[in-house]
Amino acid sequence: DIVMTQSPDSLAVSLGERATINCKSSQSILYSSNNKNYLAWYQQKPGQPPKLLIYWATSRESGVPDRLSGSGSGTDFTLTISSLQAEDVAVYYCQQYYTTPLTFGGGTKVEI
Amino acid sequence: QVQLQESGPGLVKPSETLSLTCTVSGGSISSYFWSWIRQPPGKGLEWIGYIYYTGSTNYSPSLQGRVTISLDTSKNQFSLNLRSVIAADTAVYYCARSPPSVTTYSPFDFWGQGTLVTVSS
Repeated sequence: DIVMTQSPDSLAVSLGERATINCKSSQSILYSSNNKNYLAWYQQKPGQPPKLLIYWATSRESGVPDRLSGSGSGTDFTLTISSLQAEDVAVYYCQQYYTTPLTFGGGTKVEI
Repeated sequence: QVQLQESGPGLVKPSETLSLTCTVSGGSISSYFWSWIRQPPGKGLEWIGYIYYTGSTNYSPSLQGRVTISLDTSKNQFSLNLRSVIAADTAVYYCARSPPSVTTYSPFDFWGQGTLVTVSS
């Protein structure tokens, strides 16, 4: 199985400041034939299902604010919230869809 | 807009079978992967398995042998059966959709609201 490791487990950021969440996969999730990283980011608020934010490591889902961005390749990835807003308080998960079993990181709780 | 809705018992006794159904509305069940994902209270997400609209399935090795996912295209529904449940199977169970992919797999773009299933006598 590909193990997804997120860090930190939680972080507190002031409104308007930058938040950075890291995700590391136990093996490369870069598919050589199309040069795409099979990595997604989700946001989960209390009592709600996860919401897809980013796919292919860097592509923003429709409607996701551009202050959220994804970067990285191979085994190391980052989700950045450039200027934290109150509505960004949530738990964020990375997920690899390179191979089954599909696996998620442990989650990072973002607080103000 | 596609919507997914889980339904089924909220309480299951140990050693019995957990059965849930996901009803898809606002779109066809064809041409997509349909997954079950669970989340124990206060913990992270675990993929259980998927069924493709053709009926082919793929299950997590950790649950292989206890899980069956089936499809009813006439009702736009897919279902989860998890046998011989234990307390550790207590979780919020989500159904989710993944678009088809030319290569391997794709992310979950639509999710149900989730349903809490408690395993207890």
